[in-house]
Amino acid sequence: DAKTTQPNSMESNEEEPVHLPCNHSTISGTDYIHWYRQLPSQGPEYVIHGLTSNVNNRMASLAIAEDRKSSTLILHRATLRDAAVYYCILRDHYGGSQGNLIFGKGTKLSVKP
Amino acid sequence: GAVVSQHPSRVICKSGTSVKIECRSLDFQATTMFWYRQFPKQSLMLMATSNEGSKATYEQGVEKDKFLINHASLTLSTLTVTSAHPEDSSFYICSASQGRRSSYNEQFFGPGTRLTVL
Repeated sequence: DAKTTQPNSMESNEEEPVHLPCNHSTISGTDYIHWYRQLPSQGPEYVIHGLTSNVNNRMASLAIAEDRKSSTLILHRATLRDAAVYYCILRDHYGGSQGNLIFGKGTKLSVKP
Repeated sequence: GAVVSQHPSRVICKSGTSVKIECRSLDFQATTMFWYRQFPKQSLMLMATSNEGSKATYEQGVEKDKFLINHASLTLSTLTVTSAHPEDSSFYICSASQGRRSSYNEQFFGPGTRLTVL
């Protein structure tokens, strides 16, 4: 699976939007961009995923660059419960992989009240 | 969404003993289960992948005789840490998906088990 690069940490104020960037310059045509987050002392939680078009769900939005070499996870209004480590992961949906997720170091998001 | 549970949530044991951790899919049949390990302030590292009814596939550097994985049913996988030592102390997390490992299916993660070996 191709590698992703994320900032080690970011800070946000409560109720403000947060933009978490991810670079994946070696992404292949069949790689989907997945985001998971891990709250302290818990297992990871799925957030969102996409291929080319921007995606929205109840948790977040995913903005994907036109060349797909980068993406941004958007939390529209950060809450204290959004403080977590956010992982950007590339996954090939069309075979040739183990089916497992390869976690990088992620971005630790802190939310200030 | 699909729910995956783990038991126990935390365990403390003496060095040399064996510890069994259970991972259950509560509302779906998990064809494939994954076991991860996470040391403090580090990311998750995949240990092994198992399909129901098959032997587990271990990642490089993970001792299969030390970390025994059994995936005997579509809702239960167990990880047994044999002859545990303090360096095995870690956060063990399982995940489950409905598809075979060669195809994409969303993974659902358990809450994790904190193992402390004294």
